[in-house]
Amino acid sequence: GQSLEQPSEVTAVEGAIVQINCTYQTSGFYGLSWYQQHDGGAPTFLSYNALDGLEETGRFSSFLSRSDSYGYLLLQELQMKDSASYFCAVRDRGGYQKVTFGTGTKLQVIP
Amino acid sequence: ETGVTQTPRHLVMGMTNKKSLKCEQHLGHNAMYWYKQSAKKPLELMFVYSLEERVENNSVPSRFSPECPNSSHLFLHLHTLQPEDSALYLCASSQDLRGGVMDNEQFFGPGTRLTVL
Repeated sequence: GQSLEQPSEVTAVEGAIVQINCTYQTSGFYGLSWYQQHDGGAPTFLSYNALDGLEETGRFSSFLSRSDSYGYLLLQELQMKDSASYFCAVRDRGGYQKVTFGTGTKLQVIP
Repeated sequence: ETGVTQTPRHLVMGMTNKKSLKCEQHLGHNAMYWYKQSAKKPLELMFVYSLEERVENNSVPSRFSPECPNSSHLFLHLHTLQPEDSALYLCASSQDLRGGVMDNEQFFGPGTRLTVL
């Protein structure tokens, strides 16, 4: 089976940097994704890591360490609009590469 | 707009009703998914279709019945639901089930907020 752990809530100040961690346990790992979901909205894809290291996309970066079964999402120059829930998701190697989502981290950006 | 639409956006139904949720994707994708999202729980994968064939039925009760008539449309038929089935039901699509990141990125619809009385 698969399980993921991430903090339930994080608060950060506008303009600051925040890191959202995700640890996972899986029987066969293929890749780690991150999704953003605003209240009342649909999850939207942010990033995907299949290999160790940092992937940067604008103000957002995602990191993966396969040996530690750990990844994080880094948000820089926080803006109020970044207030949302952030989900990590693991893709496994079995069958059709099933995706399992974490419980999500609710980020509140304060002035 | 993600290219995935869902109707209705809100649905209130009694435990004896029969209703259907509809999802349509305008992205030319080959795979479609149904998820259930409840408060303080992870997104729960319910069903997966690839090229109109069901490839996953994730131990979902039979009161939920999916239908995929073509690669652009996905339905979730509901009957004799329970109050604990109240949740946000999300549809998603991806280019394919396998392959690189661009094939696997899932595009979600806005969801149907279901309340079972």
